[in-house]
Amino acid sequence: DGGITQSPKYLFRKEGQNVTLSCEQNLNHDAMYWYRQDPGQGLRLIYYSQIVNDFQKGDIAEGYSVSREKKESFPLTVTSAQKNPTAFYLCASSIARNQPQHFGDGTRLSIL
Amino acid sequence: GESVGLHLPTLSVQEGDNSIINCAYSNSASDYFIWYKQESGKGPQFIIDIRSNMDKRQGQRVTVLLNKTVKHLSLQIAATQPGDSAVYFCAENGGYQKVTFGTGTKLQVIP
Repeated sequence: DGGITQSPKYLFRKEGQNVTLSCEQNLNHDAMYWYRQDPGQGLRLIYYSQIVNDFQKGDIAEGYSVSREKKESFPLTVTSAQKNPTAFYLCASSIARNQPQHFGDGTRLSIL
Repeated sequence: GESVGLHLPTLSVQEGDNSIINCAYSNSASDYFIWYKQESGKGPQFIIDIRSNMDKRQGQRVTVLLNKTVKHLSLQIAATQPGDSAVYFCAENGGYQKVTFGTGTKLQVIP
């Protein structure tokens, strides 16, 4: 089945540590996105990529970094500069900007 | 995730009744709208979409209505079932960096 796979499902970060969240899709979608979801808030865009080797900052990019070396993969690194990283992180992809975004099942990041 | 449903408006509906979930959007330039369903611990799941040149679209047991005059979107679920219990939120799409997601409404189906 085609879809988006996020791993791990749960992740713990120590003080001063960088952690990387994986996102892989086999939908052959050009566009990929990373969102952060906090209780009682709508999804907030961290980064997006319209095509391989290109990505743009979203509304809350500070403390995060991404790469898009392959069409299928869009990993997100949460750096130590992100002071409030505890959240549910969602990866999505779409064929084009005016098509539905398909989401993975998320990674929950917590601080040790 | 598990905490997505906290602090959200809740709609309680008897099984078999119809549900109506509302959403106000803000960007007049948005030309594409989507409804998502999110179950606890999972990612959002696409339900139905509508483009700005339409005012109504029907799917299986779901209907979306768009009123551009008052910037309002609604999702109607017919014959609500226990499996429909989830958080529902709308999204307005005005571009790659201009997709705005609502905070959501928690639907509780009473058996």
